[in-house]
Amino acid sequence: GNSVTQMEGPVTLSEEAFLTINCTYTATGYPSLFWYVQYPGEGLQLLLKATKADDKGSNKGFEATYRKETTSFHLEKGSVQVSDSAVYFCALQATNTGNQFYFGTGTSLTVIP
Amino acid sequence: KAGVTQTPRYLIKTRGQQVTLSCSPISGHRSVSWYQQTPGQGLQFLFEYFSETQRNKGNFPGRFSGRQFSNSRSEMNVSTLELGDSALYLCASTTTMDGTEAFFGQGTRLTVV
Repeated sequence: GNSVTQMEGPVTLSEEAFLTINCTYTATGYPSLFWYVQYPGEGLQLLLKATKADDKGSNKGFEATYRKETTSFHLEKGSVQVSDSAVYFCALQATNTGNQFYFGTGTSLTVIP
Repeated sequence: KAGVTQTPRYLIKTRGQQVTLSCSPISGHRSVSWYQQTPGQGLQFLFEYFSETQRNKGNFPGRFSGRQFSNSRSEMNVSTLELGDSALYLCASTTTMDGTEAFFGQGTRLTVV
């Protein structure tokens, strides 16, 4: 079946620290992979995506590379800011289940000044 | 371009009652999906509608139902509410049948007392 395993949180970092949030997946076929972010009281916002192996998604200083050999899509940012504090969700969209997304459990990030 | 609109934002209902939530997708988007988000279970897929037809359904009891209108607006209904139905209900819209990007609304926070 399809599933996403995401690094447990919460994660607390100092401003300008390096961020890595691990994400691995199980899927049939060739899924598309996503990172979504959720701020308090809000819905999910797309952060970045990758639709095929070796693609790198990037946005607002965040990056993630679609690694088929390790079935991973780890999120990284070189220097986090207080405004990055949010919950981050890794997700996949399989090739045979329409627009259904499979989400990880979410990782709460708090960045302190 | 207006985003995904969910109404109401907050709702308090009593056990045994029923509730209807509404979602207006982005103009031109024909696919609407619903998710339930709880602290214990995370984000779980409820169902997806495309062109007024339910295309996919998650593992929820029959008390949860939905529909889509010809203008792509969607409603979901929960009958005989239980305390465990308290959650944030998120709606997502996409452009095509194989849309790889979903846009989420801010959600409806349902509290069952």
